[in-house]
Amino acid sequence: YVLTQSFSVSVAPGQTARITCGGNNIGSKSVHWYQQRPGQAPVMVIFDDSDRPSGIPERFSGSNSGNTATLTISRVEAGDEADYYCQVWDSTTDHRVFGGGTKLTVV
Amino acid sequence: QVQLVQSGAELKKPGASVKVSCKASGYTFGNNGVCWVRQAPGQGLEWMGWISAYSGNSKHAQKFRDRVTMTTDTSTYTAYMELRSLTSDDTAVYFCARAGGEWEPIDYWGQGTLVTVSS
Repeated sequence: YVLTQSFSVSVAPGQTARITCGGNNIGSKSVHWYQQRPGQAPVMVIFDDSDRPSGIPERFSGSNSGNTATLTISRVEAGDEADYYCQVWDSTTDHRVFGGGTKLTVV
Repeated sequence: QVQLVQSGAELKKPGASVKVSCKASGYTFGNNGVCWVRQAPGQGLEWMGWISAYSGNSKHAQKFRDRVTMTTDTSTYTAYMELRSLTSDDTAVYFCARAGGEWEPIDYWGQGTLVTVSS
């Protein structure tokens, strides 16, 4: 199972960033999103398509339908600059699958 | 608070093995599982496998199935990942992470262990 993410997304501070994750009928799966700042371990920012872990700002939201899952970051801040990875569980192969990652640049 | 603290950086020669440890604290170790994920320099995240800390049952990525062994020690709250027959392609940061079940989201990560394979 392959998850496809755009290589990079650029957005100005205060604007909205949308990071997509494409997969065959991904809407039937639970999608999780992780943020990884340079030199740091990943941090979960969205789980089960649209749930936020405690401590993650409400500016982070997620949706999942059809062949695309989307991570939306509202009112983007400089501190949001990071790589973002989507991830699902592929029950056909019993493998955890990560997307290739999207680099969010705040310009 | 939940913490996963990994062992330090390793330098290995091709053909050797490496064993990375991951000590958990701040939660009941046996109620969860441990994932192992690696990241080659400048690359994305790659899942290696998952082990139940309670039962020891594990699932491995097909790519690593013949070379990786994952274990846990519930008495010391420590998980281990051993990778054998190392090549330069195994140079990466190796992360342990907590996931309740093999399919469940990863909610906490270790700090990562850099393994460098070089002659």
